[in-house]
Amino acid sequence: GAVVSQHPSRVICKSGTSVKIECRSLDFQATTMFWYRQFPKQSLMLMATSNEGSKATYEQGVEKDKFLINHASLTLSTLTVTSAHPEDSSFYICSARGGDRSTGNTIYFGEGSWLTVV
Amino acid sequence: DAKTTQPPSMDCAEGRAANLPCNHSTISGNEYVYWYRQIHSQGPQYIIHGLKNNETNEMASLIITEDRKSSTLILPHATLRDTAVYYCIVRLHPFYNQGGKLIFGQGTELSVKP
Repeated sequence: GAVVSQHPSRVICKSGTSVKIECRSLDFQATTMFWYRQFPKQSLMLMATSNEGSKATYEQGVEKDKFLINHASLTLSTLTVTSAHPEDSSFYICSARGGDRSTGNTIYFGEGSWLTVV
Repeated sequence: DAKTTQPPSMDCAEGRAANLPCNHSTISGNEYVYWYRQIHSQGPQYIIHGLKNNETNEMASLIITEDRKSSTLILPHATLRDTAVYYCIVRLHPFYNQGGKLIFGQGTELSVKP
């Protein structure tokens, strides 16, 4: 299957600072990328959908000014957690789909990024 | 997107077939059934998807009932590495709306035992 890579896999930041997580599609052009958050022993929660070159669409209850999403190219999307607090500590996962039928029918996930805010 | 119902947990003996059921009684005609699995602390892994016909690939088989209200994922010879949470998701075809997003339920925690 197609490859989606996230970086960093683990990050620790101080409360009040911002942290950026990158999501790259390595072997296909991702017209749409999705960002999820997962707390321990819970399912994945969709945060937002981003299409290349346009503003992200956030799910209800997700603060768009806190979780900044940029999808500037067909292979890269970034999630920036601004003014992070300990309650933002979580597993953040990105996924991507392509624009053609061969890569658009399936969504592929990155490895996830563990964020710990201290 | 239609909701799905899965048992919270299942056990399976190593080497035997694992049959994971999923109910999606409100599925509509242009919605697909997707299966993903998540091994602890990793991103979900795509397994298989189908619309109305049964599907098979190198990982698993997907059996969809004729009325499309339920499906079963079959891992023909389960191994210890198949221990994971399995998610059955009903997804609108991506070309009908913006992106065809995946909404995860609680899934089934499959434990494969020696």
